[in-house]
Amino acid sequence: QVQLVESGGGVVQPGKSLRLSCEASGFTFSSNGMHWIRQTPGRGLEWVAVIYSDGSDQFYADSVKGRFTISRDNPKNTLFLQMNSLRVEDTAVYYCARDPVGVSDAFDIWGQGTMVTVSS
Amino acid sequence: EIVMTQSPVTLSVSPGERVTLACRASQSVGSSLAWYQQKPGQAPRLLIYGASTRATGIPARFSGSGSGTDFTLTISSLQSEDFAVYYCQQYKNWPPYTFGQGTKLEIK
Repeated sequence: QVQLVESGGGVVQPGKSLRLSCEASGFTFSSNGMHWIRQTPGRGLEWVAVIYSDGSDQFYADSVKGRFTISRDNPKNTLFLQMNSLRVEDTAVYYCARDPVGVSDAFDIWGQGTMVTVSS
Repeated sequence: EIVMTQSPVTLSVSPGERVTLACRASQSVGSSLAWYQQKPGQAPRLLIYGASTRATGIPARFSGSGSGTDFTLTISSLQSEDFAVYYCQQYKNWPPYTFGQGTKLEIK
């Protein structure tokens, strides 16, 4: 079945780095734009980044621009989020999600999420 | 950035009732509006896209309407499994894609 599975979350100190992964199955991964979205009790759902199906372009939320990098490995059906210079306010559940049509549609498939805690 | 505002924040309703949730955009998003349902410990699930099109497998009791800046999600007869938090999202003008703060449906 169509599925996204995130991994890589954990506890990390401020200023450190973490790399999240999202493994896709059940669909042609290379045909879809992919997103990262995060959620906190205080700030709700916050879109983080998007990457085109072929990896040719990426866009970021201002809050993570210059610190986070979204990438993908299409032959391995995997999406990544490299998070550098982490801050306490980056603490959240991070979800990957599929864009069914390019990068300009609703997010039709979501992973189960992975928790990232930034704390000293 | 387009700001999405949902109302009410919390709604207490009884099973079987009809309920309408509202979502307003700070500027026009055309029909590029989605609704998601989220239950505790789960990821959001797409209910409605294009303001009024039900996603695959979504029951007919869910319906969406509106365009421009004002949108509604209606659940015609609440079932026990519908008590959850509902979010709207615009995907017209990005980045960033933006979400409302959510409406929580509680059992009265």
